[in-house]
Amino acid sequence: AQSVAQPEDQVNVAEGNPLTVKCTYSVSGNPYLFWYVQYPNRGLQFLLKYITGDNLVKGSYGFEAEFNKSQTSFHLKKPSALVSDSALYFCAVRDHASGGSYIPTFGRGTSLIVHP
Amino acid sequence: KAGVTQTPRYLIKTRGQQVTLSCSPISGHRSVSWYQQTPGQGLQFLFEYFSETQRNKGNFPGRFSGRQFSNSRSEMNVSTLELGDSALYLCASSLAGKDEQYFGPGTRLTVT
Repeated sequence: AQSVAQPEDQVNVAEGNPLTVKCTYSVSGNPYLFWYVQYPNRGLQFLLKYITGDNLVKGSYGFEAEFNKSQTSFHLKKPSALVSDSALYFCAVRDHASGGSYIPTFGRGTSLIVHP
Repeated sequence: KAGVTQTPRYLIKTRGQQVTLSCSPISGHRSVSWYQQTPGQGLQFLFEYFSETQRNKGNFPGRFSGRQFSNSRSEMNVSTLELGDSALYLCASSLAGKDEQYFGPGTRLTVT
């Protein structure tokens, strides 16, 4: 079974400050981890993924995520937030041992609000 | 390349009616997945189609069904609509064997 948790419904940060959106996961095998972003009235857009290798993954729009196996976490980060980063962020996980299924499990989403 | 398109974008239906939503994937993508998004439940997987076959199915009642055509376009149908079916229905396509999903803008279904 695979599951993912986003413990914060909302994250508030001032423009120019660093931001972190938290994600923890649970899988029985090795995890494939993803972050997606959803802007109002739009579908989800892929930001980045971790499959294997370097624990720090760089993605679109200056975002990065850090994979921590011991803490089963995959937090999304950005060094300097922009007002335009305000959106809904989804973490997703897929168990590598998922029997050929490529369907991930999504978290409930975290609303990021960047204040000017 | 054109992105994933979904029609219609907005729909209002009455309880007991049925509805059909359409999704056209990115050219070359043979896998199409459907999700239901609600504020309370987040993003919930409905089903996935690949080469006209349902490959995976989520935990939804039989009122929810889908199909995929030979050109990879997909439709989902919801019969006997309930108020709780009000949601944003998202379609996503992907290349065979690839994890990244490309989402359409969704169809906002309101059941009154």
